[in-house]
Amino acid sequence: QQQVKQSPQSLIVQKGGISIINCAYENTAFDYFPWYQQFPGKGPALLIAIRPDVSEKKEGRFTISFNKSAKQFSLHIMDSQPGDSATYFCAASNRGNKLVFGAGTILRVKS
Amino acid sequence: DGGITQSPKYLFRKEGQNVTLSCEQNLNHDAMYWYRQDPGQGLRLIYYSQIVNDFQKGDIAEGYSVSREKKESFPLTVTSAQKNPTAFYLCASSIGFNTEAFFGQGTRLTVV
Repeated sequence: QQQVKQSPQSLIVQKGGISIINCAYENTAFDYFPWYQQFPGKGPALLIAIRPDVSEKKEGRFTISFNKSAKQFSLHIMDSQPGDSATYFCAASNRGNKLVFGAGTILRVKS
Repeated sequence: DGGITQSPKYLFRKEGQNVTLSCEQNLNHDAMYWYRQDPGQGLRLIYYSQIVNDFQKGDIAEGYSVSREKKESFPLTVTSAQKNPTAFYLCASSIGFNTEAFFGQGTRLTVV
């Protein structure tokens, strides 16, 4: 009930391509879905977050798509750049439940 | 500068020793968390605290202890009972459960 399943485990994309990372959750009470970006040796930092009252949120080259009925959400990175190479974590929570993280996706953007 | 400060950045421990990792925040956040990260794995929750003088076990609390005597501070002790302590430890804080969590830069603990 508390799990968030993230895929793929790793991803290689050509520079300029689209990177897509998917997450699925089980707890229908979750109402906050953030994505975190982590560079080697650093702590994760919030990239973008969505709440279930919208189906899509875009910030620059980063977009979250949210499908409430399927209990899935995904991160799209448009025009992927080598500087986007990092580990990405999805997560979910609500007022009464702490953040639950996915296992992470290691993204490598080839120049 | 507001944020979360973890210290030290690197820590070496001899087998059988207890060590304490420091986490301080000046964001006035009520909730604080400790996570463990192993290579190729996600973030596993060790302990969390929603308020001063109260804390709860996370998913992997065995071999760890915490205290929350001040709002700003949430130190983690890795005890000798933790059989595999070598890992990257991350501290985080947030206003509440469903708001942005801010992470520190981590402490890399190695058993020698």
